[in-house]
Amino acid sequence: RKEVEQDPGPFNVPEGATVAFNCTYSNSASQSFFWYRQDCRKEPKLLMSVYSSGNEDGRFTAQLNRASQYISLLIRDSKLSDSATYLCVVNRGGGYQKVTFGTGTKLQVIP
Amino acid sequence: DAGVIQSPRHEVTEMGQEVTLRCKPISGHNSLFWYRQTMMRGLELLIYFNNNVPIDDSGMPEDRFSAKMPNASFSTLKIQPSEPRDSAVYFCASSSGTSYPQETQYFGPGTRLLVL
Repeated sequence: RKEVEQDPGPFNVPEGATVAFNCTYSNSASQSFFWYRQDCRKEPKLLMSVYSSGNEDGRFTAQLNRASQYISLLIRDSKLSDSATYLCVVNRGGGYQKVTFGTGTKLQVIP
Repeated sequence: DAGVIQSPRHEVTEMGQEVTLRCKPISGHNSLFWYRQTMMRGLELLIYFNNNVPIDDSGMPEDRFSAKMPNASFSTLKIQPSEPRDSAVYFCASSSGTSYPQETQYFGPGTRLLVL
């Protein structure tokens, strides 16, 4: 089983739609979690961290479920500019960074 | 801040040649990461330095790959000899610490390597 698994998509959604991605991780000792965004032929960039209590940043909401070992990203009112690949990132922590990236979920927002 | 700087941005070489990729992390960051990204395998961590010391090189594919960090502002990833299967985008990233929020990684623009 992969350490971090994501549905590769693509998710094709119309503008204004709500879309959600899930990501599962295998190591229960994982300590911190992130969502990164990667545009085509660009580098990954941090979208948001994922807190245990869940957190929101504008149209984006991230949730963590430690019991089931998954994190989620919800995008409301999708914009064309949201089209990108969303990477789930898990850091095992433990004094140094043991970071694993998921292979990403591709989102295409359609006019 | 200039961000993470990588060079070259594109490299085309022939099988068997030596390839050297370069990275300058963000000033003040003490952690540096080299990643490789392909369509098939996604983003893979190759090696992680903390305070210029290699901490985890378990992702380095084989002896043909080597990485160095002679000082806090410079790192190299070398492939010798290169093979067509090494064709990928190689990213360098840096972070300022090991716990939140300093663990956020900032990526360079990447080096697109094509080995013919």
